[in-house]
Amino acid sequence: DIQMTQSPSSLSASVGDRVTITCRASQSISTYVNWYQQKPGNAPAILMFAASRLQGGVPSRFSGSGSGTDFTLTISSLQPEDFATYYCQQSFSAPFDFGPGTRVDVK
Amino acid sequence: QVQLVQSGNEVKKPGASVKVPCKVSGYSFARYGISWVRQTPGQGLEWMGWISGYNGDTNYAQILQGRVTLTTDTSTSTVYLELRSLRSDDTAIYFCARDSLHGGNSFLDYWGQGTLVTVSS
Repeated sequence: DIQMTQSPSSLSASVGDRVTITCRASQSISTYVNWYQQKPGNAPAILMFAASRLQGGVPSRFSGSGSGTDFTLTISSLQPEDFATYYCQQSFSAPFDFGPGTRVDVK
Repeated sequence: QVQLVQSGNEVKKPGASVKVPCKVSGYSFARYGISWVRQTPGQGLEWMGWISGYNGDTNYAQILQGRVTLTTDTSTSTVYLELRSLRSDDTAIYFCARDSLHGGNSFLDYWGQGTLVTVSS
């Protein structure tokens, strides 16, 4: 199975900050990575698929990059509605596991 | 609009089974698969398995093999998750999600609201 790790596990930031979250796969997975945002009490919501493709309706301040084993999700200017937990997921081979999540909270 | 509607919360005793429905609407049932993901309280997301809306093919997480079964009822556009031999560590919120495909990459684009299954004696 492919293991997904994320760093940091949590971070504190202020509105307007640039935030970068890293995801690493235990083996090369090309660009088969998705990113989700989850707010308390809600289901996750897709942000990005295929490492860098923005899902329709997602603000352009979100961007993704990477291939192989290392991936990043960047929020260029953090907004109040962006405080949430972010998960990466590999879609290269089953089981399509998620990373452990990165919680972004208010500094 | 696309909707995935799940049933209300369930409380089960250890050793029992639970069958959680996920009724979909707003798209052609046969064109997409459905994945199930669970989340233990305060913890991360665990992929459980996938079922094709086209032909009922399935793919399960190895760790759940033998205890989980996904089925579809095409007449009602409903997908069912059955989990047997429940243990306390199966206590979690269970989500169904539509599995979308774009250029060979699959991702979960619409989610149900989740069903809390509590396993307790």
